[in-house]
Amino acid sequence: DGGITQSPKYLFRKEGQNVTLSCEQNLNHDAMYWYRQDPGQGLRLIYYSQIVNDFQKGDIAEGYSVSREKKESFPLTVTSAQKNPTAFYLCASSISGRARPNNEQFFGPGTRLTVL
Amino acid sequence: AQKVTQAQTEISVVEKEDVTLDCVYETRDTTYYLFWYKQPPSGELVFLIRRNSFDEQNEISGRYSWNFQKSTSSFNFTITASQVVDSAVYFCALSPHNNAGNMLTFGGGTRLMVKP
Repeated sequence: DGGITQSPKYLFRKEGQNVTLSCEQNLNHDAMYWYRQDPGQGLRLIYYSQIVNDFQKGDIAEGYSVSREKKESFPLTVTSAQKNPTAFYLCASSISGRARPNNEQFFGPGTRLTVL
Repeated sequence: AQKVTQAQTEISVVEKEDVTLDCVYETRDTTYYLFWYKQPPSGELVFLIRRNSFDEQNEISGRYSWNFQKSTSSFNFTITASQVVDSAVYFCALSPHNNAGNMLTFGGGTRLMVKP
């Protein structure tokens, strides 16, 4: 089945530790995104990537890092510099906007991160 | 700057009632795209519709309908004869025209609870 997978579904971290969230897609999409969702709030963009080996900061990139070494994968690292990392993290992908702009994004099931 | 406002944070209805979710947007662009997504309790966002600003015709898909009014900058979503399975958080989103990055600005979401 084509889609986006995120792992793990639930993640617990001790304060001061870095943690990496996985996002994999087999939709052959060029563009990938990471969002953060806090309770009762909308989605805020952390990072996005339109092509392999290239990515840009979103609205709330501080305390996060990403890599895009493969088209299928866009892992997100939550570093100890992120002051309030407890949240629900969603990964998404879309067809390249360069070829066809304003496409819808497809989302993974999310990872719920809790800092203890 | 772009902004999407979903003033209704939570709506509760009884099954079979009709319900309208409001979405008001702000943009300086003359052409743009609007989206609606559904987030069921599982967490994954599901794409519902994309509408460009050139097309002001209302759209109907089964029990779902969308009313786009450019004059009032609104893109409201109506569910007819609601069902318990419609219970979810619904997000409205905005994207500027020729948006090669497929970037979306999300509203804060409306939580819909349909009671049997």
